[in-house]
Amino acid sequence: DTGVSQDPRHKITKRGQNVTFRCDPISEHNRLYWYRQTLGQGPEFLTYFQNEAQLEKSRLLSDRFSAERPKGSFSTLEIQRTEQGDSAMYLCASSHTSGKVYEQYFGPGTRLTVT
Amino acid sequence: AQKVTQAQTEISVVEKEDVTLDCVYETRDTTYYLFWYKQPPSGELVFLIRRNSFDEQNEISGRYSWNFQKSTSSFNFTITASQVVDSAVYFCALSFYGQNFVFGPGTRLSVLP
Repeated sequence: DTGVSQDPRHKITKRGQNVTFRCDPISEHNRLYWYRQTLGQGPEFLTYFQNEAQLEKSRLLSDRFSAERPKGSFSTLEIQRTEQGDSAMYLCASSHTSGKVYEQYFGPGTRLTVT
Repeated sequence: AQKVTQAQTEISVVEKEDVTLDCVYETRDTTYYLFWYKQPPSGELVFLIRRNSFDEQNEISGRYSWNFQKSTSSFNFTITASQVVDSAVYFCALSFYGQNFVFGPGTRLSVLP
């Protein structure tokens, strides 16, 4: 399978705990995006990387959220001190800046439930 | 600020009918990209089509076609001869050179047999 993969697929955590999600993009893709999607809404942009550089972060992204892409391959998204409002589907997507420009390929998502 | 509006929350059609999904966008950028994505019940978003702002030629790809009108900031998407498998939530999205994608709220399409 050469698509975007995300791990875990589901995460249940208690309020105040830290959680970390992983995304493995399509191997030749140099851009990687993180989104959050709540029920009945479209994906909301969080941040994106080009190779290992984090180029943009949404103003909506609180300082409890941090993302890394240390070697320009997989990425992690960490949420510290989770709150009930963090419950959502977290989506990862990847794309390339050449060829089929900016066509994003999405992973299956990680569903986070904060109790 | 960029914004995407999809005024149709839900649409129901009977199989084989044509259906058009509306998308209106706002941006101050003169160059941008527009996209349509499909999110079936399984949940994974699927890329459908892309159009850049300097090419207003409308196209047809199989049962899909799109109508891009820069003058009215609209990027409508049509499915011809709809099928039950087309049932999904469809999202319109806007991006400036692959940065800061903005998605609309989605239109839920139900195709009834």
